[in-house]
Amino acid sequence: AQKVTQAQTEISVVEKEDVTLDCVYETRDTTYYLFWYKQPPSGELVFLIRRNSFDEQNEISGRYSWNFQKSTSSFNFTITASQVVDSAVYFCAPLNNYGQNFVFGPGTRLSVLP
Amino acid sequence: DVKVTQSSRYLVKRTGEKVFLECVQDMDHENMFWYRQDPGLGLRLIYFSYDVKMKEKGDIPEGYSVSREKKERFSLILESASTNQTSMYLCASKGRGPSGNTIYFGEGSWLTVV
Repeated sequence: AQKVTQAQTEISVVEKEDVTLDCVYETRDTTYYLFWYKQPPSGELVFLIRRNSFDEQNEISGRYSWNFQKSTSSFNFTITASQVVDSAVYFCAPLNNYGQNFVFGPGTRLSVLP
Repeated sequence: DVKVTQSSRYLVKRTGEKVFLECVQDMDHENMFWYRQDPGLGLRLIYFSYDVKMKEKGDIPEGYSVSREKKERFSLILESASTNQTSMYLCASKGRGPSGNTIYFGEGSWLTVV
């Protein structure tokens, strides 16, 4: 079974600051996927990224970037030049290749202050 | 576009009432899920279904049942609502196999039992 730890319960930053959300996972599987979701105050969980365990390249999408380190079982998420609209709860979730459902932790609540 | 639609956004029900939460997806996904989300507890899986008329218990099925009569629709039923079932309920769906390994969520249903 997978397990995920997001050590930061809540983070507050001022607009335009960079912020990194940490994610450490545990899995016994050799093939698995890692996901990040964003949950704004409206409640919907928005898919941000899916990463295959074989692909350790870092990824950048606009102000978002992800750093996957298989050796340390981490999949950290960085927002550059944060904006108020980035305020949300962010979830990191692992899924094995044959998994039917995700393991979600409590997430990290990010507040971006103007 | 991917779409998971939950029929009710906000509901207030009385203790002992039977409650139906409906979810429809338009992606022809085999797998559908019901989660509940509570502060500090993250998302917890109630039930999931991997095919029509098939269902599996998740981590917290007590007090709930589900129905999957059609592929696109997955209903969560609270047979006799109780105040400890006050929560936010999220429906989700995903396809099959590695290429289908992204879960898409609905907007959530906020249920208050009084």
